[in-house]
Amino acid sequence: KNQVEQSPQSLIILEGKNCTLQCNYTVSPFSNLRWYKQDTGRGPVSLTIMTFSENTKSNGRYTATLDADTKQSSLHITASQLSDSASYICVVSDTNGGGNNRKLIWGLGTSLAVNP
Amino acid sequence: DTGVSQDPRHKITKRGQNVTFRCDPISEHNRLYWYRQTLGQGPEFLTYFQNEAQLEKSRLLSDRFSAERPKGSFSTLEIQRTEQGDSAMYLCASSLRAYEQYFGPGTRLTVT
Repeated sequence: KNQVEQSPQSLIILEGKNCTLQCNYTVSPFSNLRWYKQDTGRGPVSLTIMTFSENTKSNGRYTATLDADTKQSSLHITASQLSDSASYICVVSDTNGGGNNRKLIWGLGTSLAVNP
Repeated sequence: DTGVSQDPRHKITKRGQNVTFRCDPISEHNRLYWYRQTLGQGPEFLTYFQNEAQLEKSRLLSDRFSAERPKGSFSTLEIQRTEQGDSAMYLCASSLRAYEQYFGPGTRLTVT
């Protein structure tokens, strides 16, 4: 069964600290993996998208890694800020085109709280 | 603001009433998606348009739900005879390429 599992479920860190969120997936075949940030009551905002051939991608203080062999991804947040408090969701697709989105498999997210 | 917009942002309605939500995608995006998200869950795919054609509908989209995109630009999602189980966040997303979706802020529906 295609699944995306994220850990930890929730995380509290102090402002300025770094943290790493994990995503393990069993989706096959694999097309791409995305990390989204979702603030409470808002729509998800894309942070990174990685295809099979990419193993790292950065977006400012966010760096995502992908190991397609072990089917693991991580999202590293550097020098956290209070505004980083949100849910971070890992999404895996096994469809490369056609806009068929029933093949998007969403993780349940990691809830990150950054405290002053 | 050139992002995806949704209206209204919040809707409270009584059970049995009909509601309609609107989504305005990013102007050059030909693909438009509707999702439903309940608390603590990831978004669930409802339906997908490419231009004005509705190409994909989830089984979640019961006969009480209907979506349109008449001119290939904005889209509406209507829920008839709302039930309490319809309470959720309804998200719209648009894209130019299949896997780069931009989400709107969502419409929070509460059915009392």
